[in-house]
Amino acid sequence: GQQLNQSPQSMFIQEGEDVSMNCTSSSIFNTWLWYKQDPGEGPVLLIALYKAGELTSNGRLTAQFGITRKDSFLNISASIPSDVGIYFCAGVDSGGSNYKLTFGKGTLLTVNP
Amino acid sequence: NAGVTQTPKFQVLKTGQSMTLQCAQDMNHNSMYWYRQDPGMGLRLIYYSASEGTTDKGEVPNGYNVSRLNKREFSLRLESAAPSQTSVYFCASTVRFIWNEQFFGPGTRLTVL
Repeated sequence: GQQLNQSPQSMFIQEGEDVSMNCTSSSIFNTWLWYKQDPGEGPVLLIALYKAGELTSNGRLTAQFGITRKDSFLNISASIPSDVGIYFCAGVDSGGSNYKLTFGKGTLLTVNP
Repeated sequence: NAGVTQTPKFQVLKTGQSMTLQCAQDMNHNSMYWYRQDPGMGLRLIYYSASEGTTDKGEVPNGYNVSRLNKREFSLRLESAAPSQTSVYFCASTVRFIWNEQFFGPGTRLTVL
């Protein structure tokens, strides 16, 4: 099946720093999604990207859909303690089925106040 | 408007026991999904239902069955639980193709002894 490589696996940063994480795929996706999961909760969608090259912001978060359609990036600017959590990328299968997501393994973000 | 609800929140089973995880959504979504989340593995799709009356296997369907009871409800059944099925199970729903309308439930934490 399809695989997503998400990196880094974990990050430990100081409050106020910027953060970057990315996902790469062995195959093409027609939609990229970024989620945040707080402890004990389900994932919450942060940003959805629908077109190659698309750059979308949501407050301090910015995500991009790579031109090759095989990668995506998420940046968080001026991190704050509540940014702590696990961030997941997910891609939507472009091989005919629009119903299935493939998730990366997540980036655990820790922010030191 | 409760969103996506899951019951139970926690469950402990013995090997060989059966149980059904319940999921309901009140957002009139067409598509519903069951995922499992294991440490370091991200979320993996077990089964999905693109619309009422249809179900399809995801990435890890072995040992599970599902029922799309109506548009609101999508249940996941473990017929003979195994320790390898110890995991956190998430249900999600979305309007077809509208991924920024996707929502996850709070999860069911299942332990199989």
